[in-house]
Amino acid sequence: AQSVSQHNHHVILSEAASLELGCNYSYGGTVNLFWYVQYPGQHLQLLLKYFSGDPLVKGIKGFEAEFIKSKFSFNLRKPSVQWSDTAEYFCAVNLNAGGTSYGKLTFGQGTILTVHP
Amino acid sequence: DSGVTQTPKHLITATGQRVTLRCSPRSGDLSVYWYQQSLDQGLQFLIHYYNGEERAKGNILERFSAQQFPDLHSELNLSSLELGDSALYFCASSVGGSDGYTFGSGTRLTVV
Repeated sequence: AQSVSQHNHHVILSEAASLELGCNYSYGGTVNLFWYVQYPGQHLQLLLKYFSGDPLVKGIKGFEAEFIKSKFSFNLRKPSVQWSDTAEYFCAVNLNAGGTSYGKLTFGQGTILTVHP
Repeated sequence: DSGVTQTPKHLITATGQRVTLRCSPRSGDLSVYWYQQSLDQGLQFLIHYYNGEERAKGNILERFSAQQFPDLHSELNLSSLELGDSALYFCASSVGGSDGYTFGSGTRLTVV
């Protein structure tokens, strides 16, 4: 069964610091990859997604992620974080169904990011 | 507003009771997914419906059931509730294209 692993449970940074959140998945086939953000008390919002093509994906709010197939990784990065980035971040995977959003998402355990002003 | 509507937002009920959670997907989305989010288990996939038909089941207890109606809204029924069922229940929808999944704001269920 596919699984998703996020390495850090809680990351604490100061504003303007750089961010990298690790995500690894275990599935040998073709996958679609997603990063979602959940602000306190809110629903999950899509930050970015990878289906195919350029492995460096740019998302909203200055976030980007790089898909490294050989490492089964999809790490999330941001060069300079802001206090408003304080939230929980989830990596998710679904089996590629012809490059479409179909089928269940398997989520990592989530990483709580706290940014101090 | 994500376009996916979940009601109620909060629900407090006693052990042994039965509740129904409702989800209206984003306009045009045929797939509805239910997830349970708890502190110890994280986000767990429960069930997937596509255009009224069940397509996949995840870690859904036998006490739980769901259905998707002809107007594509979905209901998740939770019965014989236990304290451990307290969690946030999310619904997500997708059209099956390349734009990802859209999540609702969730229903926070508290069993006392």
